[in-house]
Amino acid sequence: EPEVTQTPSHQVTQMGQEVILRCVPISNHLYFYWYRQILGQKVEFLVSFYNNEISEKSEIFDDQFSVERPDGSNFTLKIRSTKLEDSAMYFCASSEAGGEYYGYTFGSGTRLTVV
Amino acid sequence: GIQVEQSPPDLILQEGANSTLRCNFSDSVNNLQWFHQNPWGQLINLFYIPSGTKQNGRLSATTVATERYSLLYISSSQTTDSGVYFCAVKGGNQFYFGTGTSLTVIP
Repeated sequence: EPEVTQTPSHQVTQMGQEVILRCVPISNHLYFYWYRQILGQKVEFLVSFYNNEISEKSEIFDDQFSVERPDGSNFTLKIRSTKLEDSAMYFCASSEAGGEYYGYTFGSGTRLTVV
Repeated sequence: GIQVEQSPPDLILQEGANSTLRCNFSDSVNNLQWFHQNPWGQLINLFYIPSGTKQNGRLSATTVATERYSLLYISSSQTTDSGVYFCAVKGGNQFYFGTGTSLTVIP
């Protein structure tokens, strides 16, 4: 079964540093997403991306966050200047199409620890 | 956004027991998924089930969309079933997750 692959599985970074989380969505999927889960809390929506632009973003996704699809296979989330409260599990997901009828495939996540 | 409530919040089972997890949601939805988050934090897709019933081995799920709930059944539980089970419903272009049911299966 096709998978969404995320790297690294765990990243530790110092406060104020830039970090890039990487994802390889399923190859024929067109919609890409990032979600975040702070330890012990709900999984929360960050951003959706289609046709090389952001289609929707949450209040969490402020100016320190950016997303990019630098080539035909990777989808990245960049956090410009990390804060302690950015420590969380970050999940990438992709779907074949948009709209309510299409399910997502989630990756296994990247655990980001900001120290 | 859509409110998603899961019950029970915590569940402890003896290995071999059966369980039912419930997910209630506040609005009509056309998309619902169940996930298992293992102790390492990885999110595993279990079912895409906007309506009806599906089965996969010892797990099965039923969604009654008209009554705004879904149920996840785990039969003959094993210690590897431990973790947090989330249901998520789709509204617009994003999923709304419940707070999860934390399951511990003891040998």
